[in-house]
Amino acid sequence: DADVTQTPRNRITKTGKRIMLECSQTKGHDRMYWYRQDPGLGLQLIYYSFDVKDINKGEISDGYSVSRQAQAKFSLSLESAIPNQTALYFCATSGASSYNEQFFGPGTRLTVL
Amino acid sequence: QQQVKQSPQSLIVQKGGISIINCAYENTAFDYFPWYQQFPGKGPALLIAIRPDVSEKKEGRFTISFNKSAKQFSLHIMDSQPGDSATYFCAANTSSGGGADGLTFGKGTHLIIQP
Repeated sequence: DADVTQTPRNRITKTGKRIMLECSQTKGHDRMYWYRQDPGLGLQLIYYSFDVKDINKGEISDGYSVSRQAQAKFSLSLESAIPNQTALYFCATSGASSYNEQFFGPGTRLTVL
Repeated sequence: QQQVKQSPQSLIVQKGGISIINCAYENTAFDYFPWYQQFPGKGPALLIAIRPDVSEKKEGRFTISFNKSAKQFSLHIMDSQPGDSATYFCAANTSSGGGADGLTFGKGTHLIIQP
């Protein structure tokens, strides 16, 4: 079984709808991250969490919110989806070392019409 | 402000050749420089990483060269194979604060190895 799973893998929605993307991990890591990938733009950090009680904004957090329900679960929400949020979304985890190798999930492809 | 600049955007190399991807960074606090490899439909996966206390790190056919004074680092893939065809991302991070902040990624290089 995969260490980092994301659901759904693909989602098509309409402008203005609320969307939740979920991430679960079995690696026992405290740190979890949400990234967005757009063609030609690399990966941009949306939010990250050191542990259940510590959540931090990344470079592109506007229009997004997150919830860390447990050590193993980190959800990303789009309260009112807009077309320019169409992208590939990745969840990642890392352990507590100074140099954090990050382990990525398979991604969720989100299309907002 | 893009803190990690990656080039080229795309690269075509013949099988057996050397693939070279370059990155430059601006933040002198960065002290961890990983390269990630991503295949279509998959999430990125760590390929190789370097810390600035060494100028080169080699793992099999993959080598990172690091130039601290120039604030540049590069990935060399020797004897490139069709299976190396993927998108490669350089990234950077600082270990301060336990290194828990997210990685800052370059924009990626789409590498194609022609048979």
